[in-house]
Amino acid sequence: GAVVSQHPSWVICKSGTSVKIECRSLDFQATTMFWYRQFPKQSLMLMATSNEGSKATYEQGVEKDKFLINHASLTLSTLTVTSAHPEDSSFYICSAVNPRGMGYGYTFGSGTRLTVV
Amino acid sequence: KQEVTQIPAALSVPEGENLVLNCSFTDSAIYNLQWFRQDPGKGLTSLLLIQSSQREQTSGRLNASLDKSSGRSTLYIAASQPGDSATYLCAAITGGGNKLTFGTGTQLKVEL
Repeated sequence: GAVVSQHPSWVICKSGTSVKIECRSLDFQATTMFWYRQFPKQSLMLMATSNEGSKATYEQGVEKDKFLINHASLTLSTLTVTSAHPEDSSFYICSAVNPRGMGYGYTFGSGTRLTVV
Repeated sequence: KQEVTQIPAALSVPEGENLVLNCSFTDSAIYNLQWFRQDPGKGLTSLLLIQSSQREQTSGRLNASLDKSSGRSTLYIAASQPGDSATYLCAAITGGGNKLTFGTGTQLKVEL
Protein backbone atom coordinates (compact mmCIF):
# COMPACT_ATOMS: atom_id res chain seq x y z
CA GLY A 1 0.00 0.00 0.00
CA ALA A 2 0.85 3.72 -0.06
CA VAL A 3 2.16 3.81 -3.62
CA VAL A 4 2.96 7.08 -5.34
CA SER A 5 3.23 6.95 -9.11
CA GLN A 6 5.05 9.60 -11.11
CA HIS A 7 4.86 10.15 -14.85
CA PRO A 8 6.74 10.50 -17.09
CA SER A 9 9.91 8.90 -15.83
CA TRP A 10 11.94 10.97 -18.25
CA VAL A 11 11.29 13.74 -20.74
CA ILE A 12 13.36 15.75 -23.19
CA CYS A 13 11.99 19.07 -24.35
CA LYS A 14 13.09 22.06 -26.34
CA SER A 15 14.01 25.29 -24.63
CA GLY A 16 10.99 27.56 -24.29
CA THR A 17 8.39 24.83 -24.12
CA SER A 18 6.43 23.70 -21.05
CA VAL A 19 6.47 20.28 -19.47
CA LYS A 20 3.90 18.74 -17.12
CA ILE A 21 4.81 16.08 -14.56
CA GLU A 22 2.12 14.07 -12.82
CA CYS A 23 2.16 12.60 -9.34
CA ARG A 24 -0.59 10.20 -8.33
CA SER A 25 -1.38 8.43 -5.11
CA LEU A 26 -2.58 5.05 -6.33
CA ASP A 27 -4.21 3.45 -3.34
CA PHE A 28 -4.84 6.33 -0.99
CA GLN A 29 -5.93 9.94 -0.91
CA ALA A 30 -3.31 12.60 -0.39
CA THR A 31 -4.46 16.05 0.64
CA THR A 32 -0.85 17.18 0.65
CA MET A 33 1.97 16.27 -1.70
CA PHE A 34 5.50 17.59 -1.92
CA TRP A 35 7.72 18.37 -4.90
CA TYR A 36 11.49 18.05 -4.72
CA ARG A 37 14.32 18.80 -7.09
CA GLN A 38 17.62 16.96 -7.16
CA PHE A 39 20.75 17.98 -9.04
CA PRO A 40 23.38 15.36 -9.92
CA LYS A 41 25.20 14.02 -6.89
CA GLN A 42 23.25 16.31 -4.59
CA SER A 43 20.49 15.73 -2.12
CA LEU A 44 16.82 16.56 -2.49
CA MET A 45 15.64 20.12 -2.08
CA LEU A 46 12.01 20.84 -1.31
CA MET A 47 10.46 23.09 -3.94
CA ALA A 48 6.88 23.37 -2.81
CA THR A 49 4.05 21.84 -0.84
CA SER A 50 0.98 21.03 -2.90
CA ASN A 51 -2.36 21.32 -1.13
CA GLU A 52 -5.55 19.84 -2.53
CA GLY A 53 -8.03 22.54 -3.43
CA SER A 54 -5.77 25.46 -2.56
CA LYS A 55 -2.63 27.21 -3.66
CA ALA A 56 0.73 25.56 -3.29
CA THR A 57 3.24 26.81 -0.77
CA TYR A 58 6.61 27.51 -2.35
CA GLU A 59 10.00 27.42 -0.67
CA GLN A 60 12.11 30.51 -0.66
CA GLY A 61 13.84 31.06 -3.96
CA VAL A 62 11.47 28.91 -6.02
CA GLU A 63 9.65 30.84 -8.74
CA LYS A 64 5.95 30.10 -8.49
CA ASP A 65 5.30 31.37 -12.02
CA LYS A 66 8.00 29.10 -13.34
CA PHE A 67 6.92 25.96 -11.52
CA LEU A 68 3.14 25.78 -11.59
CA ILE A 69 1.59 23.30 -9.18
CA ASN A 70 -1.99 22.10 -9.37
CA HIS A 71 -3.57 19.72 -6.87
CA ALA A 72 -7.07 19.43 -8.25
CA SER A 73 -7.99 16.09 -6.72
CA LEU A 74 -7.11 13.99 -3.72
CA THR A 75 -5.03 11.65 -5.84
CA LEU A 76 -3.29 13.90 -8.34
CA SER A 77 -0.80 16.74 -8.17
CA THR A 78 0.90 18.16 -11.24
CA LEU A 79 4.05 20.21 -11.65
CA THR A 80 4.37 22.23 -14.84
CA VAL A 81 7.75 23.67 -15.72
CA THR A 82 6.89 26.65 -17.89
CA SER A 83 9.15 28.08 -20.58
CA ALA A 84 11.79 25.54 -19.69
CA HIS A 85 15.47 26.37 -20.06
CA PRO A 86 18.56 24.16 -19.87
CA GLU A 87 19.16 25.20 -16.26
CA ASP A 88 15.81 23.62 -15.37
CA SER A 89 17.22 20.24 -16.34
CA SER A 90 17.09 18.17 -13.19
CA PHE A 91 15.48 15.20 -11.45
CA TYR A 92 12.07 16.01 -9.99
CA ILE A 93 10.48 13.79 -7.34
CA CYS A 94 7.14 14.00 -5.58
CA SER A 95 6.12 12.53 -2.26
CA ALA A 96 3.14 12.15 0.04
CA VAL A 97 2.68 11.43 3.69
CA ASN A 98 1.98 7.77 4.42
CA PRO A 99 -1.82 7.49 4.66
CA ARG A 100 -1.46 5.88 8.07
CA GLY A 101 -0.29 9.23 9.31
CA MET A 102 2.77 11.42 9.71
CA GLY A 103 4.12 9.04 12.28
CA TYR A 104 4.74 6.58 9.46
CA GLY A 105 6.88 8.83 7.31
CA TYR A 106 6.76 9.63 3.64
CA THR A 107 6.48 7.69 0.41
CA PHE A 108 8.10 8.88 -2.81
CA GLY A 109 7.44 8.64 -6.51
CA SER A 110 9.99 7.18 -8.91
CA GLY A 111 11.08 10.58 -10.15
CA THR A 112 11.17 12.36 -13.51
CA ARG A 113 14.38 13.18 -15.32
CA LEU A 114 13.89 16.42 -17.25
CA THR A 115 16.38 17.40 -19.92
CA VAL A 116 15.91 20.72 -21.67
CA VAL A 117 17.84 21.11 -24.92
CA LYS B 1 17.17 25.98 10.41
CA GLN B 2 17.66 22.21 10.40
CA GLU B 3 20.83 20.98 8.75
CA VAL B 4 21.51 17.31 8.14
CA THR B 5 24.93 15.90 7.37
CA GLN B 6 25.95 12.38 6.41
CA ILE B 7 29.36 10.82 6.61
CA PRO B 8 31.07 9.31 4.84
CA ALA B 9 30.03 10.79 1.51
CA ALA B 10 31.17 7.63 -0.25
CA LEU B 11 32.09 4.16 0.90
CA SER B 12 33.41 1.10 -0.89
CA VAL B 13 33.52 -2.22 0.95
CA PRO B 14 33.97 -5.89 0.08
CA GLU B 15 30.97 -8.14 0.15
CA GLY B 16 30.09 -9.55 3.56
CA GLU B 17 31.36 -6.64 5.58
CA ASN B 18 29.26 -4.99 8.27
CA LEU B 19 29.09 -1.24 7.93
CA VAL B 20 27.75 1.88 9.60
CA LEU B 21 26.42 5.00 7.93
CA ASN B 22 26.18 8.16 9.99
CA CYS B 23 23.64 10.96 9.98
CA SER B 24 23.77 14.06 12.16
CA PHE B 25 21.22 16.85 12.53
CA THR B 26 21.48 20.26 14.16
CA ASP B 27 17.97 20.65 15.59
CA SER B 28 17.16 17.86 18.03
CA ALA B 29 13.46 18.74 18.05
CA ILE B 30 12.65 16.22 15.36
CA TYR B 31 9.35 14.47 14.82
CA ASN B 32 10.78 11.39 13.12
CA LEU B 33 13.90 10.33 11.26
CA GLN B 34 13.62 8.32 8.06
CA TRP B 35 16.26 6.43 6.10
CA PHE B 36 15.92 5.98 2.35
CA ARG B 37 17.73 4.20 -0.41
CA GLN B 38 18.11 5.71 -3.88
CA ASP B 39 19.33 3.77 -6.88
CA PRO B 40 20.84 5.76 -9.78
CA GLY B 41 18.17 7.69 -11.67
CA LYS B 42 15.40 6.36 -9.46
CA GLY B 43 13.13 7.61 -6.73
CA LEU B 44 13.47 6.95 -3.02
CA THR B 45 12.67 3.70 -1.28
CA SER B 46 11.91 3.97 2.42
CA LEU B 47 14.06 1.66 4.52
CA LEU B 48 13.35 2.51 8.14
CA LEU B 49 11.54 5.17 10.09
CA ILE B 50 12.34 5.95 13.71
CA GLN B 51 9.79 7.93 15.63
CA SER B 52 11.13 10.51 18.06
CA SER B 53 10.15 8.38 21.05
CA GLN B 54 12.04 5.35 19.73
CA ARG B 55 15.72 4.47 19.99
CA GLU B 56 16.02 2.05 17.09
CA GLN B 57 14.27 0.13 14.36
CA THR B 58 15.24 -3.09 12.60
CA SER B 59 14.33 -4.58 9.26
CA GLY B 60 16.18 -7.65 8.08
CA ARG B 61 19.88 -6.84 7.83
CA LEU B 62 19.26 -3.16 8.55
CA ASN B 63 19.22 -1.51 11.94
CA ALA B 64 18.78 2.20 12.50
CA SER B 65 19.36 3.95 15.80
CA LEU B 66 18.43 7.43 16.96
CA ASP B 67 19.97 9.59 19.67
CA LYS B 68 18.05 12.86 19.70
CA SER B 69 20.11 14.44 22.45
CA SER B 70 23.31 14.17 20.45
CA GLY B 71 21.61 14.80 17.12
CA ARG B 72 22.70 11.52 15.57
CA SER B 73 21.32 8.53 13.77
CA THR B 74 23.18 5.54 12.40
CA LEU B 75 22.21 2.95 9.83
CA TYR B 76 23.86 -0.40 10.36
CA ILE B 77 23.99 -2.83 7.43
CA ALA B 78 24.98 -6.38 8.29
CA ALA B 79 26.64 -8.78 5.89
CA SER B 80 26.63 -6.34 2.98
CA GLN B 81 25.82 -7.57 -0.52
CA PRO B 82 26.45 -6.10 -4.00
CA GLY B 83 22.72 -5.44 -4.22
CA ASP B 84 23.07 -3.00 -1.33
CA SER B 85 25.03 -0.67 -3.60
CA ALA B 86 23.08 2.59 -3.75
CA THR B 87 22.94 6.05 -2.21
CA TYR B 88 21.56 6.15 1.30
CA LEU B 89 19.78 9.27 2.49
CA CYS B 90 18.57 10.19 5.93
CA ALA B 91 15.86 12.78 6.45
CA ALA B 92 14.97 14.60 9.63
CA ILE B 93 11.27 15.25 9.90
CA THR B 94 10.26 18.37 11.80
CA GLY B 95 7.46 20.91 11.85
CA GLY B 96 5.02 18.51 13.43
CA GLY B 97 5.84 15.98 10.74
CA ASN B 98 5.34 18.28 7.82
CA LYS B 99 8.87 19.10 6.75
CA LEU B 100 11.71 16.84 5.61
CA THR B 101 15.30 17.95 5.57
CA PHE B 102 17.52 15.55 3.69
CA GLY B 103 21.12 14.74 4.40
CA THR B 104 23.81 14.89 1.78
CA GLY B 105 23.77 11.13 1.24
CA THR B 106 26.29 8.29 1.44
CA GLN B 107 27.11 6.55 -1.83
CA LEU B 108 27.76 2.90 -1.03
CA LYS B 109 29.44 0.39 -3.28
CA VAL B 110 29.69 -3.23 -2.22
CA GLU B 111 32.17 -5.16 -4.31
CA LEU B 112 32.36 -8.86 -5.00
